[in-house]
Amino acid sequence: EAQVTQNPRYLITVTGKKLTVTCSQNMNHEYMSWYRQDPGLGLRQIYYSMNVEVTDKGDVPEGYKVSRKEKRNFPLILESPSPNQTSLYFCASSLRTTTDTQYFGPGTRLTVL
Amino acid sequence: DQQVKQNSPSLSVQEGRISILNCDYTNSMFDYFLWYKKYPAEGPTFLISISSIKDKNEDGRFTVFLNKSAKHLSLHIVPSQPGDSAVYFCAAMRNQGGKLIFGQGTELSVKP
Repeated sequence: EAQVTQNPRYLITVTGKKLTVTCSQNMNHEYMSWYRQDPGLGLRQIYYSMNVEVTDKGDVPEGYKVSRKEKRNFPLILESPSPNQTSLYFCASSLRTTTDTQYFGPGTRLTVL
Repeated sequence: DQQVKQNSPSLSVQEGRISILNCDYTNSMFDYFLWYKKYPAEGPTFLISISSIKDKNEDGRFTVFLNKSAKHLSLHIVPSQPGDSAVYFCAAMRNQGGKLIFGQGTELSVKP
């Protein structure tokens, strides 16, 4: 089944404790992206990747890192999480760019205490 | 600075009637627009899109209208069904790049 998977689905952590949210797609897509959803703010793009080893900042990249060492995986790294990073995170992928249909993962609910 | 705005946080419509969701943008360089639909506890799913060279795109019950001079787009759902109840996000981009700007979302409730 074609899908985007994210792990973990739920995570409660404490300020400053490094964490990684994994994202994997099995559709051989070149484009992958991370978003966060917050009440009243909608979805905001954190980082995106047009292909392996190519990553670019979205609208809200501060406090996040990403890497794209292989096509299928695009992990989101929070080196020193803070409470303002408490949010619902979505990973997405599409064939080449955002004009192609983006497929979203189920989301990761992160709480930083 | 919110470049894409959905000024109505919620909309309630009777089943069978038309739902109209609105979206405004400020950046005249945007040349491609999309609508996504999101159910609770799920990721967004693509609904319909439109290029700036068009002013209308239709897919079944869903039609998107683009008014470039007003920097406004709207999504029409006819007829509305209870299963359409969800949060709808509009999004905009430029030059087939990777950056995508979303609006705040409008929660649509279709009552039987």
